[in-house]
Amino acid sequence: DAGITQSPRHKVTETGTPVTLRCHQTENHRYMYWYRQDPGHGLRLIHYSYGVKDTDKGEVSDGYSVSRSKTEDFLLTLESATSSQTSVYFCAISDLLAEAFFGQGTRLTVV
Amino acid sequence: EDQVTQSPEALRLQEGESSSLNCSYTVSGLRGLFWYRQDPGKGPEFLFTLYSAGEEKEKERLKATLTKKESFLHITAPKPEDSATYLCAVVAGGYQKVTFGTGTKLQVIP
Repeated sequence: DAGITQSPRHKVTETGTPVTLRCHQTENHRYMYWYRQDPGHGLRLIHYSYGVKDTDKGEVSDGYSVSRSKTEDFLLTLESATSSQTSVYFCAISDLLAEAFFGQGTRLTVV
Repeated sequence: EDQVTQSPEALRLQEGESSSLNCSYTVSGLRGLFWYRQDPGKGPEFLFTLYSAGEEKEKERLKATLTKKESFLHITAPKPEDSATYLCAVVAGGYQKVTFGTGTKLQVIP
């Protein structure tokens, strides 16, 4: 398995609280991604990174921010969690035009 | 905006009954098309990459093909362990932004 770890794996939080999800890789891949997966919507891209401190928005970026201060770490922050952000979040890594390797996912519940 | 559409949404097959899954795409400048398999509660697992029309890839009972508008994942004589959701994704344009389809949920019945 590719060296990619997400933490935490499960989290329950209250509406309005900040939440940070972490993605850590040991593969030195350039590109890192955050997706959310919801029934009927498939995997939707939130943000991605193409290098340290280089990030861009995906199709569902509202309410989310990211940071990448080191090659191996990509953080996803929900500044003020809402119930609509209850989802399963996946981190992925890849090289240019190569397949992506996915983490195990984080199940986030906002109550 | 890049669009990826997969059909059917769900497919139920008897063991040994061959079929195909479809992935149609509308993108500017396709650079690569990927197929993944996802089991419940897990992240997607890579199957194939196709880069140009006419290209084909095979792995065990699976074969992926690519045209200028769509890709097919052919499943020959499937077994129950092939049951999963199959996802298609594209990379297009000048960026490494990956867009996924919503997937086809395959169930193979013994």
